[in-house]
Amino acid sequence: GESVGLHLPTLSVQEGDNSIINCAYSNSASDYFIWYKQESGKGPQFIIDIRSNMDKRQGQRVTVLLNKTVKHLSLQIAATQPGDSAVYFCAESSGAGSYQLTFGKGTKLSVIP
Amino acid sequence: KAGVTQTPRYLIKTRGQQVTLSCSPISGHRSVSWYQQTPGQGLQFLFEYFSETQRNKGNFPGRFSGRQFSNSRSEMNVSTLELGDSALYLCASSRTLRNTGELFFGEGSRLTVL
Repeated sequence: GESVGLHLPTLSVQEGDNSIINCAYSNSASDYFIWYKQESGKGPQFIIDIRSNMDKRQGQRVTVLLNKTVKHLSLQIAATQPGDSAVYFCAESSGAGSYQLTFGKGTKLSVIP
Repeated sequence: KAGVTQTPRYLIKTRGQQVTLSCSPISGHRSVSWYQQTPGQGLQFLFEYFSETQRNKGNFPGRFSGRQFSNSRSEMNVSTLELGDSALYLCASSRTLRNTGELFFGEGSRLTVL
């Protein structure tokens, strides 16, 4: 079946650098995308979302870019901090009115002090 | 404002037993979803409920069932447990359906099947 996947399972960055986490999706009907952060022993925490009628959305220190042509999603974290160390998941939804999400496998971000 | 509350947080069962997990959504939230998280399969959608009605069901066997009560609290049940059911079961709630709010996750119920 169609699924959302990640390009890299792990990513290490120096504190203060910018981080870019990538995600590829295959369902062309997907119209809503979310990035979640999951720390060890905790549930996923909402970071930012974007709808398919947009190609960029910014939050606090985070930016999500959506390229529908190549079915690619990325999360940019500015000035990465140790507290950003976690597993990051992208998720997509294609059902209007439904939160049935398909998650990627996740990227583990490690921030080096 | 309290977050999504899941009980129990940890439990151990043996093969063949059944288990019921509970989820209390954020106050005012009417939509509840359940996900299973395992190292091998990642996060997989189980069910979605809104106003006591199951709106969607993931690709899981009939041993997995759920329901939502009038106060929006939800339970899921797994019967005839198998070793492969060992996982973190996550509940998430939103104020209403998609397009109108964020989806918030609880800390999960970690089930170990021996």
